[in-house]
Amino acid sequence: DIQMTQSPSSLSASVGDRVTITCRASQNINIYLNWYQQKPGKAPKLLIYAASFLQSGVPSTFSGSGSGTDFTLTITSLQTEDFATYYCQQSYSAPLYTFGPGTKLEIK
Amino acid sequence: QVQLVQSGAEVKKPGASVKVSCKASGYTFTTFFMHWVRQAPGQGLEWMGIINPSGTSRNYAQKFQGRVTMTIDTSTSTVYMELSTLRSEDTAVYFCARMNGESLDYWGQGTLVTVSS
Repeated sequence: DIQMTQSPSSLSASVGDRVTITCRASQNINIYLNWYQQKPGKAPKLLIYAASFLQSGVPSTFSGSGSGTDFTLTITSLQTEDFATYYCQQSYSAPLYTFGPGTKLEIK
Repeated sequence: QVQLVQSGAEVKKPGASVKVSCKASGYTFTTFFMHWVRQAPGQGLEWMGIINPSGTSRNYAQKFQGRVTMTIDTSTSTVYMELSTLRSEDTAVYFCARMNGESLDYWGQGTLVTVSS
């Protein structure tokens, strides 16, 4: 089974900061990596698919990169509404999928 | 617009079963696979399984093999997830989600299932 890890598990930042969240797969997953944002009490929201493609309607302050085993989600110029929990998900081993454990982004 | 509307909260006793529904609208139902994902209180997202739009093919996470059944009613564009032999650790919010390409682009609002004696 493909295991996903994320770092850090939590992160404090200020409005206007640039932050980077890392996701690592236990084996090569090419670019089969998606990123989701989840706010408390809400369903997750797709941000990035196929490692670097921005989902329609998502601000360009979000970007993704990486391939193989190491991936990053970067948020430039943090806004208040960006404070949430972020999850990566691999789809390389379809039809079996795995989420990362999540990174909680909090206001400093 | 695409909508996935799930059934309401459930309270079940240990050992019972629960069946959660997810009604889709706003798109051609028979074109997209559907997933189920759950989230225990204060925990992360846990992938449960996938079903094809005709309901003829399913794959489940090994953890749920033998306890979960996913079905589809194409006449009503509804996906179902039934989990049996419930235990307290199954208390969670259960989400359905539409797969577009290899990502989950639309999600239901979630259904809280509480397992308690």
